[in-house]
Amino acid sequence: AQSVTQLDSQVPVFEEAPVELRCNYSSSVSVYLFWYVQYPNQGLQLLLKYLSGSTLVKGINGFEAEFNKSQTSFHLRKPSVHISDTAEYFCAVILTGGFKTIFGAGTRLFVKA
Amino acid sequence: GAGVSQTPSNKVTEKGKYVELRCDPISGHTALYWYRQSLGQGPEFLIYFQGTGAADDSGLPNDRFFAVRPEGSVSTLKIQRTERGDSAVYLCASSLGEPQETQYFGPGTRLLVL
Repeated sequence: AQSVTQLDSQVPVFEEAPVELRCNYSSSVSVYLFWYVQYPNQGLQLLLKYLSGSTLVKGINGFEAEFNKSQTSFHLRKPSVHISDTAEYFCAVILTGGFKTIFGAGTRLFVKA
Repeated sequence: GAGVSQTPSNKVTEKGKYVELRCDPISGHTALYWYRQSLGQGPEFLIYFQGTGAADDSGLPNDRFFAVRPEGSVSTLKIQRTERGDSAVYLCASSLGEPQETQYFGPGTRLLVL
């Protein structure tokens, strides 16, 4: 069965520091990969997605993620975070050919001044 | 333009009662998804509609849960004989149709079963 593991439930970081939020998935077939963000009191919104092609994907708000097929990972990075990046981040996969989206449990990013 | 809307925003009911949760997708979006999100967890897939038909309902936990989308737009998630374990935030999302298309999420309905 497919699954998504977000290795850190909480990540505290100081403002302007770099951050990496880790995501690993398990699947025997190829997948589409997504990162969603949920700001406080707001709905989920897409940050970025990997469908095919270049393994480095750039998203909104300066975030990027790299697909690593051999390690089945899709880690999210930002070189310098802002207070406004404080939110819950969810990694998700969809099997190619399917529509069922499997989400990870989420990582709460807390940016401190 | 208008995003995905869900009503009610909050619903409190008693164990054993029947509830209906409504989702209005973005106009023109043929795909509609329902998810359930429990505290401290990621969204859990329930059902996916393409047009009027449920293309994948493998996530519905049991036969107390049912969803419809009769005209290919608004969808209703129906829960019979509610149980305390059904308490969660129910999310709806819509997209243009293909699985790689971006899903746009509504604000959710927070269901509390007493």
